[in-house]
Amino acid sequence: DAGVTQSPTHLIKTRGQQVTLRCSPKSGHDTVSWYQQALGQGPQFIFQYYEEEERQRGNFPDRFSGHQFPNYSSELNVNALLLGDSALYLCASTRRQGLHEQYFGPGTRLTVT
Amino acid sequence: AQSVSQHNHHVILSEAASLELGCNYSYGGTVNLFWYVQYPGQHLQLLLKYFSGDPLVKGIKGFEAEFIKSKFSFNLRKPSVQWSDTAEYFCAVNDPAGNTPLVFGKGTRLSVIA
Repeated sequence: DAGVTQSPTHLIKTRGQQVTLRCSPKSGHDTVSWYQQALGQGPQFIFQYYEEEERQRGNFPDRFSGHQFPNYSSELNVNALLLGDSALYLCASTRRQGLHEQYFGPGTRLTVT
Repeated sequence: AQSVSQHNHHVILSEAASLELGCNYSYGGTVNLFWYVQYPGQHLQLLLKYFSGDPLVKGIKGFEAEFIKSKFSFNLRKPSVQWSDTAEYFCAVNDPAGNTPLVFGKGTRLSVIA
């Protein structure tokens, strides 16, 4: 049973560019959340997708957007990259109904130069 | 809004020493509580969780945590640490209603030396 997978593993972009990160949830999970983990900090919630809609959003600007597909996989898009967007981006999946923990993927390390 | 405080930024212990990492949260309602671990170069893994019931929760690798509602605390403990416990430890909380997003503390880095 595959866990949460993310691609790519690492990415280097230049300021002002756009980036797309991808996530496949654990089998049986229907809810995907994205978190940003800056160096030396705990993960911070970006947004959550369920039934292909953004359900909850953290304190992140509109440059951060996402999508969920019918197979529950998800994308995180960041436009107009800033140096401060350099971080580890984590995807977590869970089941919407009931009490369940979130399972995290290995993350995508984004470096903005 | 919920918040989580982890009091120790970096803890250094010798092998076989006992461990206690502090975690306090601010939220007046019912909460789910979690401890996650991030080993060097690996992804976040769940150590243990508290949803309800017995406030003393046992997790993997000999870790346990105690939920003390009156103190808004969920401290992580292990009687005897090993070198392989060297990692970053994160306490997290969410609201049981609707599987709300996790709110994490800033983490505690544990270094275990021989």
